[in-house]
Amino acid sequence: DAGITQSPRHKVTETGTPVTLRCHQTENHRYMYWYRQDPGHGLRLIHYSYGVKDTDKGEVSDGYSVSRSKTEDFLLTLESATSSQTSVYFCAISGDFQETQYFGPGTRLLVL
Amino acid sequence: SQQGEEDPQALSIQEGENATMNCSYKTSINNLQWYRQNSGRGLVHLILIRSNEREKHSGRLRVTLDTSKKSSSLLITASRAADTASYFCATKNYGQNFVFGPGTRLSVLP
Repeated sequence: DAGITQSPRHKVTETGTPVTLRCHQTENHRYMYWYRQDPGHGLRLIHYSYGVKDTDKGEVSDGYSVSRSKTEDFLLTLESATSSQTSVYFCAISGDFQETQYFGPGTRLLVL
Repeated sequence: SQQGEEDPQALSIQEGENATMNCSYKTSINNLQWYRQNSGRGLVHLILIRSNEREKHSGRLRVTLDTSKKSSSLLITASRAADTASYFCATKNYGQNFVFGPGTRLSVLP
């Protein structure tokens, strides 16, 4: 695996609470992405970053925010978690030409 | 909306047989990629084929791309139990993000 870690790997939380997921890379790649994976939907892009402090929305960004203050870290925040945000979240990285993505191990989030 | 759609959704074969999965997409692409996901793990990149390529090989993998039909196929030859996984195609166009299909679940029975 490329040098990508995600934390936490598993989390159970209650509706209405804030949740922050962390993605850390050691590859110095420019692009970082957050996806969610749900049965029947494949991977859907939540937000992505094309550099420090440079982020943009993806297909399913409502209810999520991100921050990237360092090249190696990309944070995904659920400001007020809802049950519909129960999912598996994957972080991915890619280099300047965006030709290949390398994925982290995923975070399983359960919102009760 | 999703760009890629894999077919079939699930495939079950015996060890030693070949497995073929198809991917269709809707708009122009710069490249198409295939990824594998083992249960409970992240996706792993398998192979990339560019829009000006028609066929590419990597070990037991063979990928074809038909841009006129907006489709691609992934062939795994002489499958093994360890090939059991979900397989996803992802398309990429200039200035746009990767778009993944819902995947094909492959089961290789010993």
